[in-house]
Amino acid sequence: SQQGEEDPQALSIQEGENATMNCSYKTSINNLQWYRQNSGRGLVHLILIRSNEREKHSGRLRVTLDTSKKSSSLLITASRAADTASYFCATEMANAGKSTFGDGTTLTVKP
Amino acid sequence: SQTIHQWPATLVQPVGSPLSLECTVEGTSNPNLYWYRQAAGRGLQLLFYSVGIGQISSEVPQNLSASRPQDRQFILSSKKLLLSDSGFYLCACRRGHEQYFGPGTRLTVT
Repeated sequence: SQQGEEDPQALSIQEGENATMNCSYKTSINNLQWYRQNSGRGLVHLILIRSNEREKHSGRLRVTLDTSKKSSSLLITASRAADTASYFCATEMANAGKSTFGDGTTLTVKP
Repeated sequence: SQTIHQWPATLVQPVGSPLSLECTVEGTSNPNLYWYRQAAGRGLQLLFYSVGIGQISSEVPQNLSASRPQDRQFILSSKKLLLSDSGFYLCACRRGHEQYFGPGTRLTVT
């Protein structure tokens, strides 16, 4: 069964707006990662947040993690048309050596 | 930095035919390697992972198999394809907690 579930499934915004995607999971984790996938391509790692962290930033990306609610959010600020892609969260349990991916959020940024 | 190669990029195969997808890794040694399948509009399903030569863990019972004959080579195979084997197959290697993905193989079983 899927560990991570993203919400919403699809999101459409105008260029310059912020995009927020959420991920919920079921069991305790060691870390949570966000990946991006352009259509028909492989995934690209964006950011990792560990279970003892609450917030991380990378450029226009901001990730939060609430372990009490078993949820994470990815915020993309000042979105661009080039941000159009699918975004996936992946959770990893301690000593697992593998990650479990959600079904993703498809983001469309209109120019 | 590591580079993941996959081939072929696309493949159309009839039901009942064999399958061999290859993944090779450059720029790292003794990597953990992974095979995923992605259905249209869905997330990634982990099929197999390997922590070393000849060491394969299967995540989902199915008619697929994997082998790792060399440190940086990971092969996904099937003796007889099913329609349900259609999908986008991704190979990945791991460094730390991050995974690096290849470009994928689009398999259509007809």
